[in-house]
This record gives sequence, C-alpha cells and structure tokens, in this order.
Amino acid sequence: GQQVMQIPQYQHVQEGEDFTTYCNSSTTLSNIQWYKQRPGGHPVFLIQLVKSGEVKKQKRLTFQFGEAKKNSSLHITATQTIDVGTYFCAGPFKTSGGSNYKLTFGKGTLLTVNP
Amino acid sequence: EAQVTQNPRYLITVTGKKLTVTCSQNMNHEYMSWYRQDPGLGLRQIYYSMNVEVTDKGDVPEGYKVSRKEKRNFPLILESPSPNQTSLYFCASSFTTGAYGYTFGSGTRLTVV
Repeated sequence: GQQVMQIPQYQHVQEGEDFTTYCNSSTTLSNIQWYKQRPGGHPVFLIQLVKSGEVKKQKRLTFQFGEAKKNSSLHITATQTIDVGTYFCAGPFKTSGGSNYKLTFGKGTLLTVNP
Repeated sequence: EAQVTQNPRYLITVTGKKLTVTCSQNMNHEYMSWYRQDPGLGLRQIYYSMNVEVTDKGDVPEGYKVSRKEKRNFPLILESPSPNQTSLYFCASSFTTGAYGYTFGSGTRLTVV
C-alpha cells in the first residue's frame, strides 16, 4: 500500500555530532512535511518541501526533497540536547475513494543525544 | 493563541464504558483528524473530516465514532472501549488535507482496563 518509510528507527549520538534521517515514499509526492515530537509531547510541524530538489534550512537543520520527489532527508549539524525527540516525515496520499488526500506519516526516527 | 485543545489529557476507564474525547480548534481549519500512536506502529489515522458534516474512515476506524456538527469541534467517541484501544490519541487540524502543516493537540493518554 501507499506508505512512507523512514530510517533509521533509532539514532544515538554524542552531543556535537551530526545526525541524518531519511524518508522514502512508495510514490511521487506533491510535498513532504517534517514534524518533531519531544518526549512526552505532541508532533510539531517543522517545515514543508514542495519543489523537486528543494533544500531548506532552519538554523542547524537542513531539509532536502529529492529530485524525483520520492525521498527526503533531515540533517542536523552539531546536535544539542534540545534536539532530542522523534522526527517524522509525512506525505499526502490519495484516499481509497480517490477524491481526497490524507497525510501518511513515517514511523519516525528517535534521536537521543548524550551530553 | 492558535491551538488545538484536547480533553482529557489522561483517562483510565473500564471495558465497555462509553467515553468521549473532545477536540476543539480556534484556527477556522476545515480539516480535522484523529490519530492513535502506539510503540513501533507510529501515527495511524482513525477518522478524518473535510468539513462540517463530512467525515470518513482512516486506517484504523474499528471501535471508534466521530461527529463534526460544528467546524471547530471534532469529538472522538468510543462506544464500548476495549483494552486494545489503550493508546495515545492525537487530534490534528489543518486548512486542508495534505497541502498545509497539521497542528496537533497535546494528546490524550487512554488506558482501558
């Protein structure tokens, strides 16, 4: 079925190391979204990528959308303890009826940072 | 402040006792959705609503009901809760489905014993 695969499932880093999570879709997407969920919290929207090959930056976070619009990545430079949490990608897929779209989430990458 | 408000935050109930989890948004969003989050399974959509009086099933609708009588409210109803519905539930809203980021509520931790 239509799905979004995310790897790795877990990543533990030392503070100051870089971190990357990857997202792959079974089909071409019109856009891809990234969310962050802190431990005990709720998902918070970070960014949306729309264009093929698009790269966006938010301070130490760099988001990329692949040329084929089927994959994406989130890279964090020099991780800090405030980066701890689960990062989800999500893409819109047509519903079974075909007239609407629904946002399907990857299972997320849990990032832990050793200070 | 723009937000999605869910209540209650925590709920422990017994099998078979009907319950409702409320969700309200103040952003005039047309689209609202319910998700459950379970370890290893990620976020799975239960039901969604494109607008008032328009609702449809998500990926895991069995055992749940919803209604959308007003634009701002989208309650989740468990008519006869069972232990396998023990989970963390999130309500989310957006201007439309898939083209804009979703705003999530703070979550409801439900335990059915």
